[in-house]
Amino acid sequence: GQQLNQSPQSMFIQEGEDVSMNCTSSSIFNTWLWYKQDPGEGPVLLIALYKAGELTSNGRLTAQFGITRKDSFLNISASIPSDVGIYFCSGRAGGGNKLTFGTGTQLKVEL
Amino acid sequence: ETGVTQTPRHLVMGMTNKKSLKCEQHLGHNAMYWYKQSAKKPLELMFVYSLEERVENNSVPSRFSPECPNSSHLFLHLHTLQPEDSALYLCASSRETGLNTEAFFGQGTRLTVV
Repeated sequence: GQQLNQSPQSMFIQEGEDVSMNCTSSSIFNTWLWYKQDPGEGPVLLIALYKAGELTSNGRLTAQFGITRKDSFLNISASIPSDVGIYFCSGRAGGGNKLTFGTGTQLKVEL
Repeated sequence: ETGVTQTPRHLVMGMTNKKSLKCEQHLGHNAMYWYKQSAKKPLELMFVYSLEERVENNSVPSRFSPECPNSSHLFLHLHTLQPEDSALYLCASSRETGLNTEAFFGQGTRLTVV
């Protein structure tokens, strides 16, 4: 089955710094979705990408669908304390409903 | 408010108990999902219902039994669980058709089996 490798596993950064994380797959994906999960809550959708090369922003967040269709990255600019949480990439191969999830990047922000 | 509501938020049950998790979505979606989230592991897809029919069952043990009475409600019936079944159980929903379908999650039920 498809696998998603997400890196880094965790990051500890200073408030105000920019953050970058990425996700790579062993197969071609048609959709990339980035989620954030706070402790004790369900994942919340941040950005959805549907075309290779697509670059989409949501406030301070920017994500790109890699040209090879096997990777995606998420950038967060000028991080703030509420950015703390676990960020998951997920992807869909083919036309079905099944989403494959990465293992997550845990972000910690130091004041 | 995500539009997907799960109850209860927390559940502690013994290995001989029978309990049910409930999920309700108010987004007009036609597909609903159960995921299991354990520590240090990716989200594991358990079941998918599309238009109230089960379309995927990822080799989940029979002690987990899903039910989808209509497109807005999804249940997960639990019986004779094991301690290793302790996890966060997440429900999600999406539109059925097309590639541009995004899954929206509930807040999850934190299950502890003792």
